Amino acid sequence: DTEVTQTPKHLVMGMTNKKSLKCEQHMGHRAMYWYKQKAKKPPELMFVYSYEKLSINESVPSRFSPECPNSSLLNLHLHALQPEDSALYLCASSQDGTIGIQYFGAGTRLSVL
Amino acid sequence: AQRVTQPEKLLSVFKGAPVELKCNYSYSGSPELFWYVQYSRQRLQLLLRHISRESIKGFTADLNKGETSFHLKKPFAQEEDSAMYYCALRGGSYIPTFGRGTSLIVHP
Repeated sequence: DTEVTQTPKHLVMGMTNKKSLKCEQHMGHRAMYWYKQKAKKPPELMFVYSYEKLSINESVPSRFSPECPNSSLLNLHLHALQPEDSALYLCASSQDGTIGIQYFGAGTRLSVL
Repeated sequence: AQRVTQPEKLLSVFKGAPVELKCNYSYSGSPELFWYVQYSRQRLQLLLRHISRESIKGFTADLNKGETSFHLKKPFAQEEDSAMYYCALRGGSYIPTFGRGTSLIVHP
């Protein structure tokens, strides 16, 4: 299984809602990543977890809150988002933070109304 | 600091024509270079990495340290090659830096 699974595929939320994005991999990878991607733009790194610990936070606003409950799961909790946060949110994993290629999920397309 | 430059935002060719997508990088050490591809409505996926020195779907890329380039080439483009291509570099921070991407359109 070389797949990273993200749910939901699509999400529409209001600015006062609280929602969560989920990412799962069963490749035994110990590094997991959240990226934000706007249309026709490269992915922008948001967070990196290495061995279930947050190792990188790219100055992301606190309305985005990551969580890594175990080595296979990565969540992104969303609260009080803004319309400009509408984007494709990608999860990726790699063997660990220093080696191995990144495998990407299909993404969650988020619309904030 | 590490930087990846993809000078062309859009590359438009006809089927059967040669394709070269340019990638230049800036990094003081020995980088690891990748090409990722994103087909319409599909996930971002690895196409090539320089250490593998392999050909995938007819594409090749050679790391030229003198010119700090890692251009992606294919001798005969196919319509199914139409996609967004991202060059990426991994250096000392181990976190890949992506270029802005080149949209390749192959016309029939």
